Amino acid sequence: DAGITQSPRHKVTETGTPVTLRCHQTENHRYMYWYRQDPGHGLRLIHYSYGVKDTDKGEVSDGYSVSRSKTEDFLLTLESATSSQTSVYFCAIKRDRIGEQYFGPGTRLTVT
Amino acid sequence: SQELEQSPQSLIVQEGKNLTINCTSSKTLYGLYWYKQKYGEGLIFLMMLQKGGEEKSHEKITAKLDEKKQQSSLHITASQPSHAGIYLCGADESNYQLIWGAGTKLIIKP
Repeated sequence: DAGITQSPRHKVTETGTPVTLRCHQTENHRYMYWYRQDPGHGLRLIHYSYGVKDTDKGEVSDGYSVSRSKTEDFLLTLESATSSQTSVYFCAIKRDRIGEQYFGPGTRLTVT
Repeated sequence: SQELEQSPQSLIVQEGKNLTINCTSSKTLYGLYWYKQKYGEGLIFLMMLQKGGEEKSHEKITAKLDEKKQQSSLHITASQPSHAGIYLCGADESNYQLIWGAGTKLIIKP
């Protein structure tokens, strides 16, 4: 158990509404990541953070923003949800610059 | 950019049989990670390989990185129902990021 929680675990929302997903860690790790996982596409990086207030884009960042005001929390916001953002979202943490990532349990988001 | 190709995409194996999953890179691998994902759950870290020729084992799962550091294999001996799931390989692309294979879906037939 790497001490990562994600909330909510499931969410159904309507197109055009804002949505915020939360990732919380108790390990005090520096690096945090948001991925989405879709059939046929595998895991794709949305955004990542390498410290408080230090974030950068991944390969599929359009339509998403992130914030990290505390070491333990990394928020992913969909400003105006679209059906193409229906997916399973995973948060991950990493202790060091090189090394394995540990994943949260995932959030299943459905945009209708 | 680097790409990771996993094979096979899916695998159905009789319980008790051995199996191998491969992960091939278009570039030299400097860190290769194997994960397992049970359906509907998060990814569980299995093993990390860094050196050419390196081999690691955990219970009945053995992972190897070839000498050229462009291919890794995951071997399961005497498969059990608990081995069923999706196996993913990931590789260091930069100091912060991993790239991922598409995954291999493993089904164990009783």
